[in-house]
Amino acid sequence: DSGVTQTPKHLITATGQRVTLRCSPRSGDLSVYWYQQSLDQGLQFLIQYYNGEERAKGNILERFSAQQFPDLHSELNLSSLELGDSALYFCASSVAPGGGLIQETQYFGPGTRLLVL
Amino acid sequence: DQQVKQNSPSLSVQEGRISILNCDYTNSMFDYFLWYKKYPAEGPTFLISISSIKDKNEDGRFTVFLNKSAKHLSLHIVPSQPGDSAVYFCAARGIETSGSRLTFGEGTQLTVNP
Repeated sequence: DSGVTQTPKHLITATGQRVTLRCSPRSGDLSVYWYQQSLDQGLQFLIQYYNGEERAKGNILERFSAQQFPDLHSELNLSSLELGDSALYFCASSVAPGGGLIQETQYFGPGTRLLVL
Repeated sequence: DQQVKQNSPSLSVQEGRISILNCDYTNSMFDYFLWYKKYPAEGPTFLISISSIKDKNEDGRFTVFLNKSAKHLSLHIVPSQPGDSAVYFCAARGIETSGSRLTFGEGTQLTVNP
């Protein structure tokens, strides 16, 4: 158990809909990261927040957005869902903001499996 | 553009023998490398890491070797146990001015046979 929690575990929805995935980082961690794992793309970085502010952005679609709240939990919002958005979505956390020479480990949650029908 | 590659999708070894998982990268700006293990229906679990200033890091049965000139790293598991059967991901972090991101390989399915 990494200490990172994600809800829900599974989500089934229809094309065009909007969903929200939730993540709570490990106690003491200020950074939250979102990754997508689809069958043909592997694990892809989406976005990072540190203490409520966006710190790094990957190839995140404009239909997707995220935020980190004052209690440090984060939500990933996926809208206008398409079939291709079906994937595993992982959240990870770490203590520091990263960047520069800071080398630290990211700890992953169990993931949310999203199925868009 | 696959910056981190794990060319072997699968590896099968006998219990008690050594498992060697390989990973190649192309980006010379990567400065920190990690190995994660993943069981079905679970998230990736951190195993071991290595900084680019080192060439070896050991933790119990797990050793990671880094060859910067070849842009190659490997994970050795000795002795291998059936519980080690999982998908292993190699990941790399690049130097960025702010923030951090990991770039992952495609994974290698390790099967340890009793």
